[in-house]
Amino acid sequence: DGGITQSPKYLFRKEGQNVTLSCEQNLNHDAMYWYRQDPGQGLRLIYYSQIVNDFQKGDIAEGYSVSREKKESFPLTVTSAQKNPTAFYLCASSSGDDTDTQYFGPGTRLTVL
Amino acid sequence: GESVGLHLPTLSVQEGDNSIINCAYSNSASDYFIWYKQESGKGPQFIIDIRSNMDKRQGQRVTVLLNKTVKHLSLQIAATQPGDSAVYFCADPDPNAGNNRKLIWGLGTSLAVNP
Repeated sequence: DGGITQSPKYLFRKEGQNVTLSCEQNLNHDAMYWYRQDPGQGLRLIYYSQIVNDFQKGDIAEGYSVSREKKESFPLTVTSAQKNPTAFYLCASSSGDDTDTQYFGPGTRLTVL
Repeated sequence: GESVGLHLPTLSVQEGDNSIINCAYSNSASDYFIWYKQESGKGPQFIIDIRSNMDKRQGQRVTVLLNKTVKHLSLQIAATQPGDSAVYFCADPDPNAGNNRKLIWGLGTSLAVNP
């Protein structure tokens, strides 16, 4: 059963704590992406990676960090420097062919208390 | 375009009617467009795509129209059903991104289907 998985679906953390969101794909896709979505709004790109061991900042990278040590995995860490971390986080992947179509995971809803 | 701080436009239709969702793009070099559907609390799902060498593409109950002259595309949903209620996004690969492939996302339109 191929696809993208994100865990957990809901995550609660205390203010000032770092938290890592998981994203795994078994689609053999080269490219992976992290987006943030706030209620009633669109998608904003946090970080993306075109290939293993390489990644680029998106439009709102401040307060976040990523790693891409394996093709299948692209974890996102929300650090204490992120001022408004409560949001819905979406991970996506694409094959990197000329269509750039991205396929999304189910999302993680992070609430910082 | 930038969507931060803006509320999603809303389209309300009666069940069984046709829905038309619009999207404008700014870069005439854009050559590929994608429509996504996002249901509440879920990740966006691919619906249909179209290349710039086409004016129209049809899927199951959905049709995408592309007007390159005015840089506009639309998603038409025939016989709209309650299950079509969702937010719909258009997206296209950033033609200025070079080898750093990423999508430019539209604001999104919230479709509400009234029974």
